[in-house]
Amino acid sequence: GAVVSQHPSWVICKSGTSVKIECRSLDFQATTMFWYRQFPKQSLMLMATSNEGSKATYEQGVEKDKFLINHASLTLSTLTVTSAHPEDSSFYICSVSRLIDEQFFGPGTRLTVL
Amino acid sequence: QQQVKQSPQSLIVQKGGISIINCAYENTAFDYFPWYQQFPGKGPALLIAIRPDVSEKKEGRFTISFNKSAKQFSLHIMDSQPGDSATYFCAASMGNQGGKLIFGQGTELSVKP
Repeated sequence: GAVVSQHPSWVICKSGTSVKIECRSLDFQATTMFWYRQFPKQSLMLMATSNEGSKATYEQGVEKDKFLINHASLTLSTLTVTSAHPEDSSFYICSVSRLIDEQFFGPGTRLTVL
Repeated sequence: QQQVKQSPQSLIVQKGGISIINCAYENTAFDYFPWYQQFPGKGPALLIAIRPDVSEKKEGRFTISFNKSAKQFSLHIMDSQPGDSATYFCAASMGNQGGKLIFGQGTELSVKP
């Protein structure tokens, strides 16, 4: 498998503030990372595909100006939730793609917006 | 056409029994079918995966059965243990889509001692 870390593991913020979540690939260089969100008792929904050195590709319905993704290096991708609101509260999970198909997930970040 | 339908939504199995979770898809362009296990508050972990050129794959107590003509695949957990209690997700992807995974709805498995 692959070792993926996320930081922070949980965060609580006030409505209107921005929150940055980091995703790191610890044991190989990942040209492609993915960001998902998951609501309680629901499946994972792909938000965007992050490619190192280029702009992220967002899924339909995901606001690119609200969920800023930066993949500045082969081991780090960041997701910034801007002007967060209570409806943005969710479990955010990143994954790295080692082979074209295999994806390995991070431990997730629980975001609570008050 | 991009959907992956998973059933049942929840499953209760006695310790030592066989847990069976089913998934169906429409898009014949899918060429990679993984299963993930997720514990509460954790990220999903890759369990086992299969490609359409193989009808069955076994890894320990976990087996994927794949029926290409029916566009269905299933996960069998043999000798189910309480530690297997988790949510299981099937998924599918196409190589030409850069590995984007389409997930099923998930099955919450509870293995009773």
